[in-house]
Amino acid sequence: RKEVEQDPGPFNVPEGATVAFNCTYSNSASQSFFWYRQDCRKEPKLLMSVYSSGNEDGRFTAQLNRASQYISLLIRDSKLSDSATYLCVVNRNYGGSQGNLIFGKGTKLSVKP
Amino acid sequence: SAVISQKPSRDICQRGTSLTIQCQVDSQVTMMFWYRQQPGQSLTLIATANQGSEATYESGFVIDKFPISRPNLTFSTLTVSNMSPEDSSIYLCSVAPTGVGGYTFGSGTRLTVV
Repeated sequence: RKEVEQDPGPFNVPEGATVAFNCTYSNSASQSFFWYRQDCRKEPKLLMSVYSSGNEDGRFTAQLNRASQYISLLIRDSKLSDSATYLCVVNRNYGGSQGNLIFGKGTKLSVKP
Repeated sequence: SAVISQKPSRDICQRGTSLTIQCQVDSQVTMMFWYRQQPGQSLTLIATANQGSEATYESGFVIDKFPISRPNLTFSTLTVSNMSPEDSSIYLCSVAPTGVGGYTFGSGTRLTVV
């Protein structure tokens, strides 16, 4: 089983739609989780960290289910500018200190007018 | 969050040659990481660059092919040695946050080997 798995998509949605991405990770001892966004030919940029209690930032909501080792990202009221690849990322260092990141293959989102 | 200057941004190289990629950070950081992103793929960790000691390489990556330097807490280099067309990728450096939060990436080096 891969360390981080996510549906590659593509997800093609109209403007204003709500879209959800899912991700699973293999190691139950993982401590930190993130969603990154990567635009074509650009470096990944942090979209949001994912906390056990769930967190929301505007139109974006992230959830973590440790029991199921599952992470989700919900985007409401999609905008054209949301078109990008969304990367599910897990911090491999399980001791709590900073370690390296393991990336999923990414889910491609295309928002159409 | 830290700001990373990575260069070159792109290069086209002849097979058999080597290219050194540099990353300069605007603050001192303990850990720096080097990733490769092959066309259409996600990021794969090459190695962790440790200041004052040898880099730690991931499975499938070796020091002879990807030597790394980390002379101080703000700078690191990755060399892609004896290049072949299979090395054509984007190479990115990254630093861990000083507190909580996500990691920051350099803008990447797009390498094409011909």
